[in-house]
Amino acid sequence: GENVEQHPSTLSVQEGDSAVIKCTYSDSASNYFPWYKQELGKRPQLIIDIRSNVGEKKDQRIAVTLNKTAKHFSLHITETQPEDSAVYFCAASRRNTGNQFYFGTGTSLTVIP
Amino acid sequence: GAGVSQTPSNKVTEKGKYVELRCDPISGHTALYWYRQSLGQGPEFLIYFQGTGAADDSGLPNDRFFAVRPEGSVSTLKIQRTERGDSAVYLCASSEGGETQYFGPGTRLLVL
Repeated sequence: GENVEQHPSTLSVQEGDSAVIKCTYSDSASNYFPWYKQELGKRPQLIIDIRSNVGEKKDQRIAVTLNKTAKHFSLHITETQPEDSAVYFCAASRRNTGNQFYFGTGTSLTVIP
Repeated sequence: GAGVSQTPSNKVTEKGKYVELRCDPISGHTALYWYRQSLGQGPEFLIYFQGTGAADDSGLPNDRFFAVRPEGSVSTLKIQRTERGDSAVYLCASSEGGETQYFGPGTRLLVL
């Protein structure tokens, strides 16, 4: 089955700086990679996703890059704000055979004002 | 519109008891997923429904866990003879058949 690893487990940045979170996956058939943000005690919320036929996707301050050959993908947050503080999870799935998500272990991001 | 809802929000039970956790997906969503999230971990896939049928139950940890979705909408996750290791947040997600999964707020289960 799929195995997703995520690093770092914790990350502290100064407000305005960039944050980068990295994930690797094991199943070369995975073709969909969402990123979720989860605030304490709340439900996971999708912030950005990427399909395997795309190398990069950007949405305002958030971008995701994918390297299919190396089987890794990364989340980039620029100009961080205190409200970006949360736990971020990456996931991988095969979207044409059920789309069950396999999640990483999470990164706790703290943005220091 | 209304999002995915789950009841109860919290459930405390004793070891050996039976519990049922309910998920109301977004109306019209054909796909429904159950995940389990232990403290400090990412959600772990349990079971996936497409319509009324369980298309993939490979994530269920053992035969004490069972889930149903009899009318293709509401789903119930059932845990028999609960153990302390079953304590976790149980998350439900639904999808209209595409990629995006919308998560519910979860049920926090504590087995004493």
